[in-house]
Amino acid sequence: SYVLTQPPSVSVAPGKTARITCGGNNIGSKSVHWYQQKPGQAPVLVIYYDSDRPSGIPERFSGSNSGNTATLTISRVEAGDEADYYCQVWDSSSDHHWVFGGGTKLTVL
Amino acid sequence: EVQLVESGGGLIQPGGSLRLSCAASGFTVSSNYMSWVRQAPGKGLEWVSVIYSGGSTYYADSVKGRFTISRDNSKNTLYLQMNSLRAEDTAVYYCARANYGWENAFDIWGQGTMVTVSS
Repeated sequence: SYVLTQPPSVSVAPGKTARITCGGNNIGSKSVHWYQQKPGQAPVLVIYYDSDRPSGIPERFSGSNSGNTATLTISRVEAGDEADYYCQVWDSSSDHHWVFGGGTKLTVL
Repeated sequence: EVQLVESGGGLIQPGGSLRLSCAASGFTVSSNYMSWVRQAPGKGLEWVSVIYSGGSTYYADSVKGRFTISRDNSKNTLYLQMNSLRAEDTAVYYCARANYGWENAFDIWGQGTMVTVSS
């Protein structure tokens, strides 16, 4: 089955740029989605189709995907961005149709 | 307003059964791809099951043969029947809509319902 690999944690100072990676075999050929989850809350979609933002998601959130790595970039990080972030792909090539990365805890210093 | 509301979670003994419900509003369950996703305490997200608009169903290996996803079109509600429950099934269970226009990204999530399997 397809595997997505994320770093367990990323730390960034307020106002700086955070980059969270998601590794997978030839992930650039797939569409990657990103979710933000704050403690005690349901996940929220922040990026779909590698780099598109749903309505209501700040422009500070952006995404890219190429080769074996997809990246979620959060510019001008705010304290409220502290959360767990998960990447996800839809893999129709196996019975595991939806695959999540292990998640990355973003800490705002 | 578009929303999903889960119910049915609780404490259940190993080997027992439980049925989760997910009531939708603002859109039609039967016209969409609907999934269950779970999250064990302190762990990441795990996809559990999907029912496509055409009615096809698929399951994660960890629940195959024990869980059954279904829907009631008249009630606009999604279900997850969970049998032969194990301690490792303990998790918050979310229902979510997969937006097929967005390469099946989960664009709507419920608030989750907690299932605890313990004696």
